[in-house]
Amino acid sequence: EAAVTQSPRSKVAVTGGKVTLSCHQTNNHDYMYWYRQDTGHGLRLIHYSYVADSTEKGDIPDGYKASRPSQENFSLILELASLSQTAVYFCASSGRDISYEQYFGPGTRLTVL
Amino acid sequence: SQWGEENLQALSIQEGEDVTMNCSYKTYTTVVQWYRQKSGKGPAQLILIRSNEREKRSGRLRATLDTSSQSSSLSITGTLATDTAVYFCATDVGDNSKLIWGLGTSLVVNP
Repeated sequence: EAAVTQSPRSKVAVTGGKVTLSCHQTNNHDYMYWYRQDTGHGLRLIHYSYVADSTEKGDIPDGYKASRPSQENFSLILELASLSQTAVYFCASSGRDISYEQYFGPGTRLTVL
Repeated sequence: SQWGEENLQALSIQEGEDVTMNCSYKTYTTVVQWYRQKSGKGPAQLILIRSNEREKRSGRLRATLDTSSQSSSLSITGTLATDTAVYFCATDVGDNSKLIWGLGTSLVVNP
């Protein structure tokens, strides 16, 4: 069973503070992704990564950084958290096969006050 | 946007009814995937249909793909209350590195 875990599961942060969201996968997948989901919206891609030590910008990268120190771990960093970054964040992984399937973590609910 | 306006939907039906959800896309794709997201969880893939397939079935699920009209549908027969979720369609961008996601259809199945 594919497994993607995220920590923390929920977090309250102050405006201007630094927030780090962590993701760990045991799928041996090359690709990892960070999405945000807002109420009434679908999934929007923030950053993704093909390989360790390399990250790519997604559709809404402004205000976010990403780090992929190993194949298993992928972090999302908010250097200066803002109210508009309140959302649920999902991490996902996928393999280089032709199934295209993405396996998602349980999500992190971030509230910025 | 990859998706048409009609992708954002909310449906409420009674248990036992059949339901069909639709989505359309604007650019060429080789694969359409359907995902289900239950409350408080991450999305999980339900079914994948490739551009050379017109229909794919999996249990109570049936997906169709019409590449000429660039549209796909997901049907659920004999719905259960446990089918209550948001359903997303997603397409690839020509490789399998990332997906483009529709806005989703919120389905509520009343017991």
